[in-house]
Amino acid sequence: GENVEQHPSTLSVQEGDSAVIKCTYSDSASNYFPWYKQELGKRPQLIIDIRSNVGEKKDQRIAVTLNKTAKHFSLHITETQPEDSAVYFCAAFYNTDKLIFGTGTRLQVFP
Amino acid sequence: ETGVTQSPTHLIKTRGQQVTLRCSSQSGHNTVSWYQQALGQGPQFIFQYYREEENGRGNFPPRFSGLQFPNYSSELNVNALELDDSALYLCASSIQGTGELFFGEGSRLTVL
Repeated sequence: GENVEQHPSTLSVQEGDSAVIKCTYSDSASNYFPWYKQELGKRPQLIIDIRSNVGEKKDQRIAVTLNKTAKHFSLHITETQPEDSAVYFCAAFYNTDKLIFGTGTRLQVFP
Repeated sequence: ETGVTQSPTHLIKTRGQQVTLRCSSQSGHNTVSWYQQALGQGPQFIFQYYREEENGRGNFPPRFSGLQFPNYSSELNVNALELDDSALYLCASSIQGTGELFFGEGSRLTVL
């Protein structure tokens, strides 16, 4: 079935350290993988995405990697800052425009 | 700001009642998807509307229904409300086929 697994569920890092969140998906037909950041009480906000024809994409301190063979994709945040603290969701795009979300990772960055 | 607006932002209902939530999509977008996000969980796909028709549905019962209008705005209707329907309901608009969803701020529903 359509499933996205996300790990870890919580992640605590010191300011300036890197954070990595990993996801796996079940359907090899998926071709689009976005990452969303959700602050408490707010909407999910798209922060970066990757399509299946590339292996890596970077935007300043944020990067996403995709391994289609293993059906894994990861979010990398470098030089973390307290304002990076939020819940991060990965998602995989299935047919009929359906985005299936992971269970979320609560990232805490301590000053 | 995404340009996706939802109303109302908060509402309280009692079990058995009915609710209608509304969503205006971002300019240029032709597809609207609805998600339910329970506290501490990821968004769960309810259904999607494209060309005023349902274009995919998640694992939700028929008492969850929707509409899309010619201007691409949409409504989510929930009948016979249950306590477990308490959640943040998110609307997202997109261009069909791209997968790039832009979310509204959500409607927080509390069922007592």
